[in-house]
Amino acid sequence: KAGVTQTPRYLIKTRGQQVTLSCSPISGHRSVSWYQQTPGQGLQFLFEYFSETQRNKGNFPGRFSGRQFSNSRSEMNVSTLELGDSALYLCASSLAGTGVGWVLSPFFGPGTRLTVL
Amino acid sequence: LAKTTQPISMDSYEGQEVNITCSHNNIATNDYITWYQQFPSQGPRFIIQGYKTKVTNEVASLFIPADRKSSTLSLPRVSLSDTAVYYCLVGESGTASKLTFGTGTRLQVTL
Repeated sequence: KAGVTQTPRYLIKTRGQQVTLSCSPISGHRSVSWYQQTPGQGLQFLFEYFSETQRNKGNFPGRFSGRQFSNSRSEMNVSTLELGDSALYLCASSLAGTGVGWVLSPFFGPGTRLTVL
Repeated sequence: LAKTTQPISMDSYEGQEVNITCSHNNIATNDYITWYQQFPSQGPRFIIQGYKTKVTNEVASLFIPADRKSSTLSLPRVSLSDTAVYYCLVGESGTASKLTFGTGTRLQVTL
């Protein structure tokens, strides 16, 4: 079974631009979450989607948004990029639905390395 | 989610057994304990998960005492390729995918 895939793997943008990152979960997984990882802040939760609905949201500004499609694929968008947005963006998928929870731990993709100049 | 505390770093020689302990004093009744491994510029990889007592799989063992206020990840006979950051997470069922990662433990394995 193929793992979580993320595209692109690397991206270079300049301040003020916007970017869209894509995530394809493991087949059959309906929950997709996004995380930002930086050396200074570590791994931080951005948001989680399940059945095309945002279920949880982390403490990030409105410039960070996401969506999930009917095939469970997800995209996240960052508008008006800032230098501090440079990070590894990770997507994780899991089978989890209501009431299933932690027993089915999420699997992470390889990440998208975003560099903002 | 319960807060976790792990050593920031550990060193080991190849072939040794490594035990990484995680403290989670505020663990709740419904919380599971999960460990992930992460290599540089890669996503975290699920290692093992448990609720109580001992869990073993092909790569590691997880020991959880009766009070569940701590847990120990045991890596038998580590190799150079086990050099990575190891994260301990604690969370309740129903909050799947809302993971809070701590600083993790950076394990350095040398010859």
